[in-house]
Amino acid sequence: AQRVTQPEKLLSVFKGAPVELKCNYSYSGSPELFWYVQYSRQRLQLLLRHISRESIKGFTADLNKGETSFHLKKPFAQEEDSAMYYCALLTSGSRLTFGEGTQLTVNP
Amino acid sequence: DTEVTQTPKHLVMGMTNKKSLKCEQHMGHRAMYWYKQKAKKPPELMFVYSYEKLSINESVPSRFSPECPNSSLLNLHLHALQPEDSALYLCASSQVYGRGAGSYEQYFGPGTRLTVT
Repeated sequence: AQRVTQPEKLLSVFKGAPVELKCNYSYSGSPELFWYVQYSRQRLQLLLRHISRESIKGFTADLNKGETSFHLKKPFAQEEDSAMYYCALLTSGSRLTFGEGTQLTVNP
Repeated sequence: DTEVTQTPKHLVMGMTNKKSLKCEQHMGHRAMYWYKQKAKKPPELMFVYSYEKLSINESVPSRFSPECPNSSLLNLHLHALQPEDSALYLCASSQVYGRGAGSYEQYFGPGTRLTVT
């Protein structure tokens, strides 16, 4: 069965520090993975998708099939990065299976 | 227009009421979704419509009844709900539905916050 695990419910860092939000998945097929972000009082929005290999707002994420991971990284966190981050796995059809989420707080 | 809109923003209803949630998109997307999100939890898929036809029903109780009258509109009809159905109901859309369509981003609406008393 497919599963997405985000081990940290809460993550707190200082402005300018590097940040890594962990995501591990379990899926027997070829994975398609995403990071979604939900800022306070805003709608859920796509941040990154692994197939694009892009950097958005300074964030990157690399799919590691050997470790079944898709960690989200940013070298220098900003206060405006404070939000809830969800890792999501696309399975059969267009089902998105979300992890439990990590609440990131960037302190000044 | 790259937004998914949802009305109403908030809804309070009694357990005997009948109400409807509405979702609209004008991006030409042919797949639309309903999700339920409880506080501090991830969204859970409820229904998927593809080309106005119901493709997925994730064993949702019949007191929730979806409807897709056309390619731009998605409704969720509510009847005889329970207090535990109180949640944020999210609508989303994507260009198409189906495996291999993963590059097609799901765009989410702001949600309707439902309280059942």
